[in-house]
Amino acid sequence: AAGVIQSPRHLIKEKRETATLKCYPIPRHDTVYWYQQGPGQDPQFLISFYEKMQSDKGSIPDRFSAQQFSDYHSELNMSSLELGDSALYFCASSFRGTANTEAFFGQGTRLTVV
Amino acid sequence: DAKTTQPPSMDCDEGRAANLPCNHSTISGNEYVYWYRQIHSQGPQYIIHGLKNNETNEMASLIITEDRKSSTLILPHATLRDTAVYYCIVRVEDWDNYGQNFVFGPGTRLSVLP
Repeated sequence: AAGVIQSPRHLIKEKRETATLKCYPIPRHDTVYWYQQGPGQDPQFLISFYEKMQSDKGSIPDRFSAQQFSDYHSELNMSSLELGDSALYFCASSFRGTANTEAFFGQGTRLTVV
Repeated sequence: DAKTTQPPSMDCDEGRAANLPCNHSTISGNEYVYWYRQIHSQGPQYIIHGLKNNETNEMASLIITEDRKSSTLILPHATLRDTAVYYCIVRVEDWDNYGQNFVFGPGTRLSVLP
């Protein structure tokens, strides 16, 4: 079965650079979630989208922005990167078939800021 | 405020049942209990979820107490590959709150011993 695809899997950037992470949800899924996981920490929610509209927002820095496109894929744009942005970034997707639905996670993008 | 409380760590012998408890004493009527796990640095993996009835799937069983203030995830025959951090998550499920995020942590670090 198709899963959530994230690209790239690994990314190395320098401080103050910009990074774009991509997420391709499971086919027919209409909701995307972004999470950040620092070393030794639990995943922290950043932002979610349903039908291309922002549906929930967590601790996403102002330097980050995200959007969901018409084909339901999503991109997380990160500017003015800081060393502390080094983390695993996970994307998840779900389908609003009913209000009761689980989300499935991708394998993540490991971002290293040097 | 954390909605769930889990023991920080547990051990289980391989081949035995692993019973992971979770307290969610402030759970509301429209909140579901979800269980996810994360094997080292991989994306969180959905296990099971339920509202008030016990649930079973190919991975695990979920037992929810009648007052819904606690639940237990049961892995019937634990293997070494079940070693992971297990997260119990309480999440509102209704159409108005669709896309609400899953709040992770802290979970239970389960070590399956050979």
